[in-house]
Amino acid sequence: QQPVQSPQAVILREGEDAVINCSSSKALYSVHWYRQKHGEAPVFLMILLKGGEQKGHDKISASFNEKKQQSSLYLTASQLSYSGTYFCGTVPDRGSTLGRLYFGRGTQLTVWP
Amino acid sequence: GAVVSQHPSWVICKSGTSVKIECRSLDFQATTMFWYRQFPKQSLMLMATSNEGSKATYEQGVEKDKFLINHASLTLSTLTVTSAHPEDSSFYICSASTHLGNTIYFGEGSWLTVV
Repeated sequence: QQPVQSPQAVILREGEDAVINCSSSKALYSVHWYRQKHGEAPVFLMILLKGGEQKGHDKISASFNEKKQQSSLYLTASQLSYSGTYFCGTVPDRGSTLGRLYFGRGTQLTVWP
Repeated sequence: GAVVSQHPSWVICKSGTSVKIECRSLDFQATTMFWYRQFPKQSLMLMATSNEGSKATYEQGVEKDKFLINHASLTLSTLTVTSAHPEDSSFYICSASTHLGNTIYFGEGSWLTVV
């Protein structure tokens, strides 16, 4: 049930872009993206519900390809505050208990000045 | 502000004792809450689904007699780690969603160290 994230780690200079991918071997109902700083709880970024849906706020956006069972998180013009570990959480199917998430292993993003 | 609160944030206990962690939804009623465990530099692993007024649903491989979950009210779920051992040391996080389930809020997490 656990989705696969790639890459495992990314190192960027401030202002550079990054893409984080999340894929599942099972059909997905929704994909949730979170950022976690060391020792803290995950912070919600966005949820994608429909096939082909794209969302974004500020310079962080995401897409969800329901047919390919994949989602990607796009970070543009990265800022120092973007550093952290990014997790995608998936809800396998429409019948799953709402809120029951399976998380990928995470992508550690480090932004240098 | 936080919409899901966990307590305590940190706890150290002796091996063999039991520890209780509370998870509260602050501004909404949560019929369902979720408990996760996260070891250092690893992902969040779903342990169980806490259902208000009924038994919790445990994920495969999680010992229900060791990790007791009680969801006695619509705003409170508790996780009790019984007969704790050093290998139970971890970061425990709860989450809850609104009735629509579209936004899931996480608690601040609880660091458990068993010595």
